Amino acid sequence: QKEVEQDPGPLSVPEGAIVSLNCTYSNSAFQYFMWYRQYSRKGPELLMYTYSSGNKEDGRFTAQVDKSSKYISLFIRDSQPSDSATYLCAMGRSGTSYGKLTFGQGTILTVHP
Amino acid sequence: DAGVTQSPTHLIKTRGQQVTLRCSPKSGHDTVSWYQQALGQGPQFIFQYYEEEERQRGNFPDRFSGHQFPNYSSELNVNALLLGDSALYLCASSFGTGVSPLHFGNGTRLTVT
Repeated sequence: QKEVEQDPGPLSVPEGAIVSLNCTYSNSAFQYFMWYRQYSRKGPELLMYTYSSGNKEDGRFTAQVDKSSKYISLFIRDSQPSDSATYLCAMGRSGTSYGKLTFGQGTILTVHP
Repeated sequence: DAGVTQSPTHLIKTRGQQVTLRCSPKSGHDTVSWYQQALGQGPQFIFQYYEEEERQRGNFPDRFSGHQFPNYSSELNVNALLLGDSALYLCASSFGTGVSPLHFGNGTRLTVT
């Protein structure tokens, strides 16, 4: 069993839709959680990070963490064609540096006009 | 403000050969982490360098080695290349070894034939 499981999709939605991306994890040592966006032929770009359970909002993006269920989500409101990319969840353990992250396999999102 | 730069962007090598990939961190960053991203997968942590020393290592064989220079730039070396080493190699930089967001470069695409 992988430490981090992410639904690979692909996911195709119309412009303006609300998108929900999800990851589950098995290791309770994970204490901080991130979402990255990766465009084709580019490196991952940090979208959101959080260190605790609950919600964190930034513009059209909301990250949700439920440590009791070992489940994290990213919601994208009013999705745009420019949101089309691969979305990666990533997690880090307490006691180790931020540099050592465990990633999900990514969800490919396409937003069509 | 230059971000993380990696060279070369693409590389084709033959099985059994050796390869060196290079990374310059984002201005102000002193820590470099290397990741391997196979096609359709999330990045996997290889190792992290801080103060010119390897600080953490993922589950990669000794064929993978690295170096960090006094100007914080870094190299990733892979010996005795295997077909399975074909992947996108990502460099990420951050400040210190604590909780500091990773900034990724656009990677080096290595193809082993």
